[in-house]
Amino acid sequence: DVKVTQSSRYLVKRTGEKVFLECVQDMDHENMFWYRQDPGLGLRLIYFSYDVKMKEKGDIPEGYSVSREKKERFSLILESASTNQTSMYLCASESAIAKNIQYFGAGTRLSVL
Amino acid sequence: AQSVTQLGSHVSVSEGALVLLRCNYSSSVPPYLFWYVQYPNQGLQLLLKYTSAATLVKGINGFEAEFKKSETSFHLTKPSAHMSDAAEYFCAVSDSGGGADGLTFGKGTHLIIQP
Repeated sequence: DVKVTQSSRYLVKRTGEKVFLECVQDMDHENMFWYRQDPGLGLRLIYFSYDVKMKEKGDIPEGYSVSREKKERFSLILESASTNQTSMYLCASESAIAKNIQYFGAGTRLSVL
Repeated sequence: AQSVTQLGSHVSVSEGALVLLRCNYSSSVPPYLFWYVQYPNQGLQLLLKYTSAATLVKGINGFEAEFKKSETSFHLTKPSAHMSDAAEYFCAVSDSGGGADGLTFGKGTHLIIQP
């Protein structure tokens, strides 16, 4: 089975802190994604990556950056956390061959106080 | 650009009753369509997908969906609801079938099963 692991289920941070959300997949997938999920808004794409050291902006990249130094790991970075970034963050991966079949991690619920 | 609209943020049905979750899409090219399900405290998992083969698609757990081009719809159905079906359901569209540009998700429908 494909496994996508997000390092934390719950995080509480203070405004202005730098926050790292980590995601690791074990299926050698080329493509990885970060979404945020908010009630009534569904999932919105923040960033995605189709190769090591490659990244593309999604629909809502402002206030976020990403890092993909290794194929299996995709990190989401909040340079200076703000209260409006309180949300559920979901990481996903997909094979470049079987596109659009995305495998999701369990999510990280981030609270910024 | 593509988009999906899910009618009803919450749908409540009795156990054993028909489940119908509605999804309409907008796409300038033939779309690839998906339904994902999110059980409480879990990530999303693929329920079923339409990729231009048969218009009636069968998924896991007894769910199926029918692609209707004339209605730009891809509604999800299950003949008889079970308590374990209680979850959030997301319709999603891709117009590429390729390229890592991600899926466009609807806002989700929370399915409630009444005993």
